[in-house]
Amino acid sequence: AQKITQTQPGMFVQEKEAVTLDCTYDTSDPSYGLFWYKQPSSGEMIFLIYQGSYDQQNATEGRYSLNFQKARKSANLVISASQLGDSAMYFCAMRENYGQNFVFGPGTRLSVLP
Amino acid sequence: NAGVMQNPRHLVRRRGQEARLRCSPMKGHSHVYWYRQLPEEGLKFMVYLQKENIIDESGMPKERFSAEFPKEGPSILRIQQVVRGDSAAYFCASSRLNYKGSGANVLTFGAGSRLTVL
Repeated sequence: AQKITQTQPGMFVQEKEAVTLDCTYDTSDPSYGLFWYKQPSSGEMIFLIYQGSYDQQNATEGRYSLNFQKARKSANLVISASQLGDSAMYFCAMRENYGQNFVFGPGTRLSVLP
Repeated sequence: NAGVMQNPRHLVRRRGQEARLRCSPMKGHSHVYWYRQLPEEGLKFMVYLQKENIIDESGMPKERFSAEFPKEGPSILRIQQVVRGDSAAYFCASSRLNYKGSGANVLTFGAGSRLTVL
């Protein structure tokens, strides 16, 4: 069963606009963490933001925020004021408390247009 | 304060040869994960290790692949008798502690090792 779903293979956004990258997940574990990573064309994996399943507030890190809707099992990444350097692959990941493993979604390729 | 170190960055092997990929986790990290990434695809979990223990190898092919994380030295991902389908980027990541009750233990990734099988 697919644990992490990212339904947008590719997204385009105009520079300086905001963009939302979708992520839904599947788990029966009440305790888990959700993560977003960025992979630019150079290939490295860069951690962006984390949300714990018990966190009451949505996580924010600079221009990144996570729209966490627990009942819907969604953890969408919002990037505000897009920059050309935001063009990259974005991966949503989950770590279950009991599973201990990190599972990644298939990714969304974001292209920021000038 | 070195991050996760992987080597070699690029490795070329002929079919039937062996590939050894090394990973030194971040200082203070005792958990190592290996992932495989095919071109234009996401990361596929292979194996999760702690020092001297394989915790979860459910993503690793049963044949030709093995992994270890000895008490001393780096973690090694070994691929015997490589085939063209093994060509991929292999990422190692490490984290500090088990997630249970200890907050967000973020995975820190190495730069990856790109294996090309001719």
